Amino acid sequence: QKEVEQDPGPLSVPEGAIVSLNCTYSNSAFQYFMWYRQYSRKGPELLMYTYSSGNKEDGRFTAQVDKSSKYISLFIRDSQPSDSATYLCAMSYNTDKLIFGTGTRLQVFP
Amino acid sequence: GAGVSQTPSNKVTEKGKYVELRCDPISGHTALYWYRQSLGQGPEFLIYFQGTGAADDSGLPNDRFFAVRPEGSVSTLKIQRTERGDSAVYLCASSLNSHGTGELFFGEGSRLTVL
Repeated sequence: QKEVEQDPGPLSVPEGAIVSLNCTYSNSAFQYFMWYRQYSRKGPELLMYTYSSGNKEDGRFTAQVDKSSKYISLFIRDSQPSDSATYLCAMSYNTDKLIFGTGTRLQVFP
Repeated sequence: GAGVSQTPSNKVTEKGKYVELRCDPISGHTALYWYRQSLGQGPEFLIYFQGTGAADDSGLPNDRFFAVRPEGSVSTLKIQRTERGDSAVYLCASSLNSHGTGELFFGEGSRLTVL
């Protein structure tokens, strides 16, 4: 069993839809939770960072962490074609040695 | 430059050859990381440096892989006796420090193909 599980998709939604992406994990020692976005043939870029449990909002993006269920989510409101990318969840204990999920490929069509 | 720079962007080599991949981090970033990303997978940790020293090399798959960062800035990932299974995108990232903020800045990667 992988430490971090993520549905690879692809997920295809119309412009304006609300998108829900999620990951589950097995190690309760993870303290830091992140979402990275990766466009084709580019490096990942950090979207959201959360420490421990709770919600965090940044514009159209909301990240949620539920440590009791070992489950994290990323919500994208009013999705745009420019949001089409692969979304990677990542987690760490107390350093920047990140453990990534496999990534979910998202396509937003006009 | 403003971002993490990796060279070469593409490298095609034959099985058994030696390969070097270079990473130039963001100026002032003390932590530097190497990850490997295979097709359809997330990045997989290889090694990270805090300054000149390798703080954690637990992700290096075997002794054919080695990385250095002699002056605490540029890093080189070295792969000896390459195998077809080494084909992947090798990503370098840097951060201001290694205190668990998760804010890594990635380069565009070096795409290695071993024939």
